[in-house]
Amino acid sequence: AQSVTQLDSQVPVFEEAPVELRCNYSSSVSVYLFWYVQYPNQGLQLLLKYLSGSTLVKGINGFEAEFNKSQTSFHLRKPSVHISDTAEYFCAVSDRGNNDMRFGAGTRLTVKP
Amino acid sequence: GAGVSQSPSNKVTEKGKDVELRCDPISGHTALYWYRQRLGQGLEFLIYFQGNSAPDKSGLPSDRFSAERTGGSVSTLTIQRTQQEDSAVYLCASSPDGDSNQPQHFGDGTRLSIL
Repeated sequence: AQSVTQLDSQVPVFEEAPVELRCNYSSSVSVYLFWYVQYPNQGLQLLLKYLSGSTLVKGINGFEAEFNKSQTSFHLRKPSVHISDTAEYFCAVSDRGNNDMRFGAGTRLTVKP
Repeated sequence: GAGVSQSPSNKVTEKGKDVELRCDPISGHTALYWYRQRLGQGLEFLIYFQGNSAPDKSGLPSDRFSAERTGGSVSTLTIQRTQQEDSAVYLCASSPDGDSNQPQHFGDGTRLSIL
């Protein structure tokens, strides 16, 4: 079965600084990869997804992620963060042909003024 | 259109009581998922419904947990004889047909607190 590791539980950054949230996965088959964001007291919202094709995926709110098959990674990046980006971010992976989506433990991004 | 709706948004109950949590998925979505999110932790898969197929119950932590989905739409997660470790946010998600390339659409969750 697939699994996801988010290497940083908390990432504090200053406003307008760049940020990278790390995600590594393990799977014996090809995968689909997702990043979700969770604002306080809300459910998860999809930020972006990688299904196939270009390894650089652009999502909402200026976020992007790059699929690196050799390193089994799918790190999330944003060149300049805003206070409003403060939230919990979850990486998720699903095996192709399998309905089982696995989520990482989450990374809490805190953007400070 | 309406998203995934969960009720109640908050539930406080005494240890040993039974609770029912409701999820109303997006209209037309045949796949429905329940997750548990403990404080500061990721999502723990509980159960998955797809159309009329038998549900995947592999994530239910004990026989105190059960779920049903009537008419292929609304789902109810029931926790019997609640324990303090059941305190968590319970999230429901739906997707059009459960294909693994489809993102899941989440409700805002039910925050369950067991006293």
